[in-house]
Amino acid sequence: GAGVSQTPSNKVTEKGKYVELRCDPISGHTALYWYRQSLGQGPEFLIYFQGTGAADDSGLPNDRFFAVRPEGSVSTLKIQRTERGDSAVYLCASSASAANHGELFFGEGSRLTVL
Amino acid sequence: AQSVTQPDIHITVSEGASLELRCNYSYGATPYLFWYVQSPGQGLQLLLKYFSGDTLVQGIKGFEAEFKRSQSSFNLRKPSVHWSDAAEYFCAVRGGGYQKVTFGTGTKLQVIP
Repeated sequence: GAGVSQTPSNKVTEKGKYVELRCDPISGHTALYWYRQSLGQGPEFLIYFQGTGAADDSGLPNDRFFAVRPEGSVSTLKIQRTERGDSAVYLCASSASAANHGELFFGEGSRLTVL
Repeated sequence: AQSVTQPDIHITVSEGASLELRCNYSYGATPYLFWYVQSPGQGLQLLLKYFSGDTLVQGIKGFEAEFKRSQSSFNLRKPSVHWSDAAEYFCAVRGGGYQKVTFGTGTKLQVIP
């Protein structure tokens, strides 16, 4: 597609529920990133995929968070047993390759609200 | 570990005035440095980037930034600010050969007539 697409744009859920957020990167981009942005903060790194594998998941806050990218394109961020503190905007970005020195192209984000 | 500090949370400038947003980074070797802008309701957009070579880099929308290794800084500048520049600006750093990009906490720019 023309840009990084994220769905849903808004998600309201109740504490304890399971949530999936989807990211469709720019066609041909091999690297995909998930960030979390809380109000008044900068994007916080969660996980990075190179192809199908998670190259760095050091930013995932705990084992309730999990992400997959089974075919090396679309990625899903999964959050189990959601907590109010998970409320944030979840940003996805893609990058063509290591050759472009980490230039990231961002989607508009999925705003998650946990009641 | 790499990190970025943006000491100014909020800056107000008059339209037509010059602008400088500060960014200091921490990384053991030569970093890759970026400035992104985020307008309300929009995604992050890359303004400019530094990889190597000339330490003064030009970006979109009339912005420029200068890499100063001795000061571990990468400040963003614009000679004359326009009302449409009101947004939040993020500095980011990436280490060579390593894909993780670390962002600062951002500086919110307000432009007054």
